[in-house]
Amino acid sequence: GAVVSQHPSRVICKSGTSVKIECRSLDFQATTMFWYRQFPKQSLMLMATSNEGSKATYEQGVEKDKFLINHASLTLSTLTVTSAHPEDSSFYICSAPLGRYSNEKLFFGSGTQLSVL
Amino acid sequence: RKEVEQDPGPFNVPEGATVAFNCTYSDSASQSFFWYRQDCRKEPKLLMSVYSSGNEDGRFTAQLNRASQYISLLIRDSKLSDSATYLCVVILTGAGSYQLTFGKGTKLSVIP
Repeated sequence: GAVVSQHPSRVICKSGTSVKIECRSLDFQATTMFWYRQFPKQSLMLMATSNEGSKATYEQGVEKDKFLINHASLTLSTLTVTSAHPEDSSFYICSAPLGRYSNEKLFFGSGTQLSVL
Repeated sequence: RKEVEQDPGPFNVPEGATVAFNCTYSDSASQSFFWYRQDCRKEPKLLMSVYSSGNEDGRFTAQLNRASQYISLLIRDSKLSDSATYLCVVILTGAGSYQLTFGKGTKLSVIP
């Protein structure tokens, strides 16, 4: 069945380093990928929507130069947190709908817990 | 901006109880509705889709009221394993767009 594989599951890094998170769609083509973050005890917050072959659309308040999203292929989308700082520590998770405009199911990655020291 | 509002919770209920959550949405053109369940620090998992005619899956019943723009989730005979955060998701698709909005989630704790 359709699966979204997300790596790494946990990252601990020093302040100022960049962290790349990968989400791969297995057994289906993800033309769209949603990226979220979730702070403790808070809801999922959509950060950006990426579409294969085009620039990502960022939600208000999300810095596009800090959170670089690349969706170069139909099976891979990456989120790079550049020059990470402690306030970027959060749970990051991706999801992809099955089909370009499908509204049947969203498949989620397993999430990445980022801790910036 | 599309808004999706959920009961704030938390809901603390005893085992065996029946509990209901509501979720309202602002855009009447919204087309698809889902309930997801999220356990702490895990990815949301699809619980059930919500259809216009209402649908049931075991102890779970979902309903959609387009006139009042809300969806509901009813859990009967609550189990300890039902403890989780329940998220409603509203989707609006159009020519070249795909808008997905999560509610903030309702935390359910089922108590022995």
